[in-house]
Order: sequence, then C-alpha cells, then structure tokens
Amino acid sequence: DIVMTQSPDSLAVSLGERATINCKSSQSVLYSSNNKNYLAWYQQKPGQSPRLLIYWASTRESGVPDRFSGSGSGTDFTLTISSLQAEDVAVYYCQQYHTTPPAFGQGTKVEIK
Amino acid sequence: EVHLLESGGVLVQPGGSLRLSCAASGLTFSSYAMSWVRQAPGKGLEWVSSITDSGIYTYYADSVKGRFTISRDNSKNTLYLQMNSLRAEDTAIYYCAKVTGPRGWFDYWGQGTLVTVSS
Repeated sequence: DIVMTQSPDSLAVSLGERATINCKSSQSVLYSSNNKNYLAWYQQKPGQSPRLLIYWASTRESGVPDRFSGSGSGTDFTLTISSLQAEDVAVYYCQQYHTTPPAFGQGTKVEIK
Repeated sequence: EVHLLESGGVLVQPGGSLRLSCAASGLTFSSYAMSWVRQAPGKGLEWVSSITDSGIYTYYADSVKGRFTISRDNSKNTLYLQMNSLRAEDTAIYYCAKVTGPRGWFDYWGQGTLVTVSS
C-alpha cells in the first residue's frame, strides 16, 4: 500500500503571507502512460466536510481561488496558498488515487499567526 | 447541484450491526463510482470502501474487510454501507463521496453521519 506523509503537521502563517504544505508518497503516483500524477488535495474547515481543491496534482477544481496551487511529481508534492486569508484556516489533506487502497496524508493544520 | 445525504448513524454496542445510507441527487448516480470515507473523532480521513458505477466491483480497507459490505441501488440513487461486528475503533463520522472516473478523486462529499460504538 502507498503511504502518504505530510509536513509539517501544523503551521501558523500571518495574513497575506505564503503557506506551504508538503506531501510525500512512499511510491511514485505518476503514471507513465499518460504522464499524470494521481494526487489530490482537500481542505476541511472546522465542523465541515472535506472539499476538493486540486486534482492531477496541479489542476484547480472549479470555484477554488487561484491563491491555491499544487505542484510536484512522482513522490513529492506541494500545496501553496500564496496569500493566506482568514477563511483558509483549515486542515489540508493530500490523497493518492494511483493505487487501491486510496490513501490520505495525516493532515496539516493551518492557522493564523 | 450534486447533493449527498447520509443517514443511519447511531450509538451501537460493540459487536452490533448498522446500515448507513447515502441518498444522492443532482447527478446521474448510475454513472459514477462511489465511496465511503470515515473520520474518527479528532483524527484524519480514512478510506473505507468503494463500489463501481454498476455495483459489480467492490473494494475494502483491510480494517473493515469481512465485516462491512458496500452496495448501491441505482434505481433509488442510494449508496449503502452494511456494518457488522462493530468495534470501538469503528467510531467515526462516515462520509459518502462521489468518485470521478473509475479510479479518481473524491469531488463531492456528504455532510457525514456519526457512528458511535460503545457499551
């Protein structure tokens, strides 16, 4: 099974500053046949269900603000919030869908400094 | 607009059984794979089970294999999770989620239903 590991577990960022979350998979989630990384990112605000932010590692879901961006390939990925807003306080999860069982990272809690 | 509504979560004793339901609307339900994902109190997300659009193929996490059964009724636009031999560690919010493609990401989530296993 593929294991997903996020870092850090939590971070505090000032409003308007950049937040960076890392995600590492124990095996590559890049499919050579289509050159796509099977990696998604989700946001979960307190008391709410998870919300899809990004899929194929870097494709933003419709309606997601462009301050959210995803990058990386193979086993190492990054979610970046370019200018943190108060409404971005949440836990963020990466997830691989390359192989069954699909697996989530343990989550990264983002707070305001 | 896609809407997923889970129900059936209750307090149940260890060893007991429970069936969760997820009513879907705003989509052609029979065209999509569906999944259950759970979240223990204060913990992260854990995939539980998935079922293909036709219902022919099912997949389970090792932690629930042999105890849980996923199924669907495409005529009723409803997803189910039959949970048997429940354990304290099954205590969680259970979300149903729509899967994009045969093996894809979870693009829509329900609000969740809480299952508590305790004596």
